[in-house]
Amino acid sequence: EVQLLEAGGDLVQPGGSLRLSCAASGFTFSSYSMSWVRQAPGKGLEWVSAMSGGGGSTYFADSVKGRFTISRDNSKNMLYLQMNSLRAEDTAIYYCGRLSVWYHDVWGQGTLVAVSA
Amino acid sequence: DIQMTQSPSSVSASVGDRVTITCRASQGISTWLAWYQQNPGKAPKLLIYAASTLQSGVPSRFSGSGSGTDFTLTISSLQPEDFATYYCQQAHSFPPTFGGGTKVEI
Repeated sequence: EVQLLEAGGDLVQPGGSLRLSCAASGFTFSSYSMSWVRQAPGKGLEWVSAMSGGGGSTYFADSVKGRFTISRDNSKNMLYLQMNSLRAEDTAIYYCGRLSVWYHDVWGQGTLVAVSA
Repeated sequence: DIQMTQSPSSVSASVGDRVTITCRASQGISTWLAWYQQNPGKAPKLLIYAASTLQSGVPSRFSGSGSGTDFTLTISSLQPEDFATYYCQQAHSFPPTFGGGTKVEI
């Protein structure tokens, strides 16, 4: 069964850092680009970042560029999102998604990041 | 960035009703469009991609159409599990962008 499982969400103070992880199983992880999408409480979906299957290409939304980095370990079937200089507006559920072109065909259950003093 | 506008933002319907949701792109995206369903407290689920191709396992009561800037998602006969929020997403240009969502409620 194809599955994505996020972890690492927490309550963090403004200006703090957090690292999210996404464990993939049931498919050839290195063959797929992967993505992070977030959803603020009661709001819609916002694409955050993506990385190609081999890790050679990375993409970021303007709202997180320079603060977030994305990485992957294909030997462990893991995707990561390092979030620095966190702001209140980064508060959201963060979903890991598998990309087929730019379609998100598999989603994880999400992990909650809350940025508050 | 390409802006995606959905209408209506919410729709009240009953089991068995036919429901149509519209998504408009701020510029032409050919058929590079997906539809997702999100039930409360759950992750989104891909329903349709390439504007009209049903994802594997999705019931045939869901259908999508359109090209260019105007797209529709139709649920032919609403079932209890279909009460959810639906999002469109363009996959034509970077960055991928989502519509604001349409909540289908009783």
